Amino acid sequence: QKEVEQNSGPLSVPEGAIASLNCTYSDRGSQSFFWYRQYSGKSPELIMFIYSNGDKEDGRFTAQLNKASQYVSLLIRDSQPSDSATYLCAGITGNQFYFGTGTSLTVIP
Amino acid sequence: ETGVTQTPRHLVMGMTNKKSLKCEQHLGHNAMYWYKQSAKKPLELMFVYSLEERVENNSVPSRFSPECPNSSHLFLHLHTLQPEDSALYLCASSQERGFGEQYFGPGTRLTVT
Repeated sequence: QKEVEQNSGPLSVPEGAIASLNCTYSDRGSQSFFWYRQYSGKSPELIMFIYSNGDKEDGRFTAQLNKASQYVSLLIRDSQPSDSATYLCAGITGNQFYFGTGTSLTVIP
Repeated sequence: ETGVTQTPRHLVMGMTNKKSLKCEQHLGHNAMYWYKQSAKKPLELMFVYSLEERVENNSVPSRFSPECPNSSHLFLHLHTLQPEDSALYLCASSQERGFGEQYFGPGTRLTVT
């Protein structure tokens, strides 16, 4: 089992809708989680990090961490075509940083 | 310069050439990483350096040779590459290995002919 797993998608949502991206992790001891956005041909860009159980909001983005169920999610409200990208979930287990394979999101105008 | 920088941004090389990729971080971080990302594929971790010491080498072929002369600079020396080595090579840094988020440079787009 991979340390961090994501549904590769593609996920399509209409403009203005809420996009929901999910990630599960295998090591219950993992403490820190990160969401990156990667446009095609570009490098990953950090969007948010979350360490504590619950929700963390930053503008249109909300990260959710549920340690009991071992999942992390990213909600994007009022999705825009510019949000179309691959979203990478990452987590730290021990002293290792693991990336998921990414979920491709397309926001349809 | 701020963040993580990489040079060159694009590189075309023949299979018999020797070239080097350079990465520099201006964040005061102690850990640096090389990743490979082939077209439409996930990130592959190649090397990890912590305080200039290589701490991880994920079964990377010897035609890739990393060098970390200090905590701010990281090199990837390339020789006798294969066409399948064509990819985006990304450098990243974090405060410590296994602590804190990673910040990426813009990458070097490598094409091996």
